[in-house]
Amino acid sequence: QKEVEQDPGPLSVPEGAIVSLNCTYSNSAFQYFMWYRQYSRKGPELLMYTYSSGNKEDGRFTAQVDKSSKYISLFIRDSQPSDSATYLCAMSVKTSYDKVIFGPGTSLSVIP
Amino acid sequence: GAGVSQSPRYKVAKRGQDVALRCDPISGHVSLFWYQQALGQGPEFLTYFQNEAQLDKSGLPSDRFFAERPEGSVSTLKIQRTQQEDSAVYLCASRPSGGMAHEQFFGPGTRLTVL
Repeated sequence: QKEVEQDPGPLSVPEGAIVSLNCTYSNSAFQYFMWYRQYSRKGPELLMYTYSSGNKEDGRFTAQVDKSSKYISLFIRDSQPSDSATYLCAMSVKTSYDKVIFGPGTSLSVIP
Repeated sequence: GAGVSQSPRYKVAKRGQDVALRCDPISGHVSLFWYQQALGQGPEFLTYFQNEAQLDKSGLPSDRFFAERPEGSVSTLKIQRTQQEDSAVYLCASRPSGGMAHEQFFGPGTRLTVL
């Protein structure tokens, strides 16, 4: 079993839909939780991060962390075709250099 | 340039050839990471440098993989005697001194195809 699990999709939604992306993890020591977006043939770019449990909102994006269930989510409201990409959850333990472990990613297509 | 750059962007190698992949981190960034991203998978950690010191190489898949950062800036990932299973995108990321987990910036990657 991998440390971080994520439904690979692909996920296809109509423009304007609310998208829910989720990850589960096994290591209870994870403290930083991140979501990256990766367009085809590009490197990952950070979307949001949270430290420990709770919610965080940034524009159309909301990240949720439930440490008791070892479950994190990313919600995208009013999805746009430009949101079509692969979304990677990532997490790390607080160490001297905060090694990051990534999920396998979910491929999202937003259809106009 | 302001971001992390990698070269070449694409590399095709015949099985058994040696390859060298280059990463130019953001100027002044102390930390440098290499990741391997197989098709349809997330990036997997290979190795970590703090300045010129390689502090963690636990993710390197075999002794055919070697990374260096001799002057604490540019880094090279070398793969000897390439195998088909080495085909992947190799990503480099850098982070400033004192930066936290989310403060790493990725390059565009080098797509390696081993025939």
